[in-house]
Amino acid sequence: DTAVSQTPKYLVTQMGNDKSIKCEQNLGHDTMYWYKQDSKKFLKIMFSYNNKELIINETVPNRFSPKSPDKAHLNLHINSLELGDSAVYFCASSQDPAGYSNQPQHFGDGTRLSIL
Amino acid sequence: GESVGLHLPTLSVQEGDNSIINCAYSNSASDYFIWYKQESGKGPQFIIDIRSNMDKRQGQRVTVLLNKTVKHLSLQIAATQPGDSAVYFCAENSSYKLIFGSGTRLLVRP
Repeated sequence: DTAVSQTPKYLVTQMGNDKSIKCEQNLGHDTMYWYKQDSKKFLKIMFSYNNKELIINETVPNRFSPKSPDKAHLNLHINSLELGDSAVYFCASSQDPAGYSNQPQHFGDGTRLSIL
Repeated sequence: GESVGLHLPTLSVQEGDNSIINCAYSNSASDYFIWYKQESGKGPQFIIDIRSNMDKRQGQRVTVLLNKTVKHLSLQIAATQPGDSAVYFCAENSSYKLIFGSGTRLLVRP
């Protein structure tokens, strides 16, 4: 069983379009995250949700809007896509937010977003 | 700031040899550290973690060493196998976020 699953795995679209990425975890965790990994493999936190509440927003442009309908799901909607948005986006989850208890985060296999 | 490099360092080892991957972290107040392995087309996979009240922790074929004096973390892999080829990241728990290092690519020569 996949613990953290993201869809789609690949997303190719044109500049200016709006797209969504979905994430689901079946680990029973309370906290979920979105990360962006650039072409140099640098991995950086974007958002964190705990029990459906936003707890971290790392000065991401407001074209990016996360939504957590329940604890097991965290979706990411991106408006007006730009060339610089091309990256791999990873969803992750942990039982508690980073820093509250020392537990690793579990990652999905990523969504590769390519902007034409 | 983060311990981030603009390039991806590469470590090439012979199959069967031991590998040592190093990482410098930035925040002396960080209290929890994790090593992740990322294979091509996959997400980061947890390998081993260590709390700041320890200086060494061992797993199956892997050992993590923590030197808080110089803010240095290392991952040792014993008897490296072809399946160990991947990019390895250290991460520190800092300001309620996981801050990732820039990663090291491990290549295992047959």
